[in-house]
Amino acid sequence: GESVGLHLPTLSVQEGDNSIINCAYSNSASDYFIWYKQESGKGPQFIIDIRSNMDKRQGQRVTVLLNKTVKHLSLQIAATQPGDSAVYFCALRDFNKFYFGSGTKLNVKP
Amino acid sequence: GAVVSQHPSRVICKSGTSVKIECRSLDFQATTMFWYRQFPKQSLMLMATSNEGSKATYEQGVEKDKFLINHASLTLSTLTVTSAHPEDSSFYICSARGGTAMYEQFFGPGTRLTVL
Repeated sequence: GESVGLHLPTLSVQEGDNSIINCAYSNSASDYFIWYKQESGKGPQFIIDIRSNMDKRQGQRVTVLLNKTVKHLSLQIAATQPGDSAVYFCALRDFNKFYFGSGTKLNVKP
Repeated sequence: GAVVSQHPSRVICKSGTSVKIECRSLDFQATTMFWYRQFPKQSLMLMATSNEGSKATYEQGVEKDKFLINHASLTLSTLTVTSAHPEDSSFYICSARGGTAMYEQFFGPGTRLTVL
C-alpha cells in the first residue's frame, strides 16, 4: 500500500488567520492528489485537487501546493473561519485506488 | 449532481449476525465503487474496490469472506458484514466514480456500525 502521512495531528488557529496543513507521501509515481474535509460523523468532502504536472492550484480561499521533489503536499486556507473546523485528509491516487493520510484536526478559535 | 447515499446511516446489531450496507449513486452511473472503514480519530482505510458486474478487489488483510461486496448495477453496491463481532464496529464509507469524472470520487455520508 501507499504511505501517506501528515506532519501535525492537530492545528489550532485564530479565526481570520491563515491555516497551513501539510502532508508527505512516499510514492513518486502518484499522479493525482486530493484534499478532503471531514466533519464529525460525515463522509469526506472534496476540497481541491492537483495533478502531478502542476505545483500549485487555487480555489476559493484554498490553495494546494505540490512539491514533487520532496514529495510534499500542503493545503492553505485563507482567512480561516469557524466553519472550517474539521479533520482534513490528503489522499493520493495509486493506479485506480485512493489512499488517505492520517488526518489533521483543524480547530478554529473565535 | 454526483450524490451518493448510504443506508442505513446507523445500525446496531448483535454479535454473530450479518449486516448489509447499501451504497447508491443517485444521479450518475458508478462504474467503480470503493468501500472504506474508519475507526475513531483515524483515517479512512480502503477495504475493497468493486467494478460493476465483476468481483471486488480486496486490499491486503481484508477478509473477502467476511466483508461481502456486490456491485450488481451501475447505481448500487452493497457491503455485507457477515458474522459481525464487536471489533467490526466502525464507520463504513463508500465512494463512487463514474461518468466523466475520471479522477474524482464522490463519498457517501457513511454508516455507523455498532456490534454488541
